[in-house]
Amino acid sequence: GQSLEQPSEVTAVEGAIVQINCTYQTSGFYGLSWYQQHDGGAPTFLSYNGLDGLEETGRFSSFLSRSDSYGYLLLQELQMKDSASYFCAAPMDTGRRALTFGSGTRLQVQP
Amino acid sequence: GAVVSQHPSWVICKSGTSVKIECRSLDFQATTMFWYRQFPKQSLMLMATSNEGSKATYEQGVEKDKFLINHASLTLSTLTVTSAHPEDSSFYICSARTQGETQYFGPGTRLLVL
Repeated sequence: GQSLEQPSEVTAVEGAIVQINCTYQTSGFYGLSWYQQHDGGAPTFLSYNGLDGLEETGRFSSFLSRSDSYGYLLLQELQMKDSASYFCAAPMDTGRRALTFGSGTRLQVQP
Repeated sequence: GAVVSQHPSWVICKSGTSVKIECRSLDFQATTMFWYRQFPKQSLMLMATSNEGSKATYEQGVEKDKFLINHASLTLSTLTVTSAHPEDSSFYICSARTQGETQYFGPGTRLLVL
């Protein structure tokens, strides 16, 4: 089986930097993805790490350490619109690639 | 990027009726689509894998006779919630994967069973 753990809530102010951690336990590992979901909306893809290291996409970066079974999403220059839920997710198996989602982290950006 | 659509976006129905939700990949072909369900303030949970031209694969605890899945073409999968009850009220989201690792999600269908 697979499980991905995240903090339930994070609060930060506009312009700040916030890190959302994800630790995982999987029977096999096929990469870690990050998704953003605003209230009432569907998840949107943010980033993917297949190998160790940092992936940068604009204000968002994601890091993976396979030896530590750990990853994080880094959001810089926070904006009010970044208030949302963030999920880490990992493919269940090498074939289907259906995703197991983490428990989700609700980010609240304050002025 | 790839686009996945869902229809309807929301539906309200009476208990005991059936509801069909469509999921379409608009600009790519998807031999496999996935159906997820999300209850309020919870994470997404995989319900089933929809395979074009073959039977769907259901996750443990998901009743295949209640949640009928048909993947009739490379761009369309449908989920039918049969004899819906209030406990089936949820946010149903489909996704499809292109050749890469990215999964593209539909906008979701919010179902409310009265």
